[in-house]
Amino acid sequence: DAGVIQSPRHEVTEMGQEVTLRCKPISGHDYLFWYRQTMMRGLELLIYFNNNVPIDDSGMPEDRFSAKMPNASFSTLKIQPSEPRDSAVYFCASRSSRPEQFFGPGTRLTVL
Amino acid sequence: SQQGEEDPQALSIQEGENATMNCSYKTSINNLQWYRQNSGRGLVHLILIRSNEREKHSGRLRVTLDTSKKSSSLLITASRAADTASYFCATDDNQGGKLIFGQGTELSVKP
Repeated sequence: DAGVIQSPRHEVTEMGQEVTLRCKPISGHDYLFWYRQTMMRGLELLIYFNNNVPIDDSGMPEDRFSAKMPNASFSTLKIQPSEPRDSAVYFCASRSSRPEQFFGPGTRLTVL
Repeated sequence: SQQGEEDPQALSIQEGENATMNCSYKTSINNLQWYRQNSGRGLVHLILIRSNEREKHSGRLRVTLDTSKKSSSLLITASRAADTASYFCATDDNQGGKLIFGQGTELSVKP
């Protein structure tokens, strides 16, 4: 298996622009997680899905952030409009019925 | 919110020495997991210990869990330069499948 796939790996954008991050979980995994990692705040859970349904979005910072999972093999995290404080590494992870999570390589987002 | 607090924040040792990292948490858990993150990469699962277990081994890794003290430790024996990474504990409190990660310990192993 290719593991969790994220795209793009790097994104540089200007404040106010829309940013869309993409994730393909491991086939057969029915949980999908979006995390954000910064030096100041560490690793934060933003939202997670089970069987394509959002279960807990309490970590989503504000209405500028939205996430979707239209099917079992694809999810997006969208930021609109983006701000410099959104600069971070965004990770997607997936898991099966077993509790271990498998992380993607991350998307490094820089908002100028 | 952060569940786990890790200690120390940074650790520097020589190759061949043992490295011990500690994790404390606040609420009841179903299991506790340790992950490694190499610079610029995603996290990789290392080992899981369930709440009814006290110790677990995997290769050069040894994990202990004390639920009465709400703490865990990760021991890496005979460390190698390739063990240089950040190590995170994560707790699963059986609240629907999510993990809460600690702030991590940055381990540097010098050749």
